[in-house]
Amino acid sequence: DIQMTQSPASLSASLGETVTIECRASEDIYNGLAWYQQKPGKSPQLLIYNANSLHTGVPSRFSGSGSGTQYSLKINSLQSEDVASYFCQQYYDYPWTFGGGTKLELK
Amino acid sequence: EVQLVESGGGLVQPGRSLKLSCAASGFTFSNYYMAWVRQAPKKGLEWVATISTSGSRTYYPDSVKGRFTISRDNAKSSLYLQMNSLKSEDTATYYCARVPFLTTVALDYWGQGVMVTVSS
Repeated sequence: DIQMTQSPASLSASLGETVTIECRASEDIYNGLAWYQQKPGKSPQLLIYNANSLHTGVPSRFSGSGSGTQYSLKINSLQSEDVASYFCQQYYDYPWTFGGGTKLELK
Repeated sequence: EVQLVESGGGLVQPGRSLKLSCAASGFTFSNYYMAWVRQAPKKGLEWVATISTSGSRTYYPDSVKGRFTISRDNAKSSLYLQMNSLKSEDTATYYCARVPFLTTVALDYWGQGVMVTVSS
């Protein structure tokens, strides 16, 4: 199975700040990676797919990058509504696997 | 508007069975792969099953293979998850999700989730 290691596990940032979350795969996943946002008590929502494609309706302050085994999610100009947990997921190979998550809070 | 509404959750004893349903609307259900993902309380996400458009292909992780069965009824725009031989570690919120597979196999829309508690 492909292991997804996400960092940091938690993050505190100020409004307007730029935030970066990293995800490392245990082997090359050839950009088969998605990022999801999950607000407290809600279901996950897709932000980024294919490592760097923005899902419909997602604000442009979110962006994804990376290749091979290393991927990142960047949030520019942090807004209060971005307080949430973020998860990466590889779908290059079965079984699909998720990172452990990053809890983003406001400082 | 894409809508996915899960039902069928509840409290069940270890070793018993439960069947979850997911009613889809707002899109042509038969054109999409579908999946189930679960989340144990205060934990991360775990993929549970995926099914092809016709239902001829199904995929599972080892943790549920042989115990869980994903199925679909395209005429009813419904997805199902039959869960047998339930264990305490199956306690989680179960989400159904759509897989647009032609552009990506990311999970582009999710339901609100249904809670399953396995306990005696």
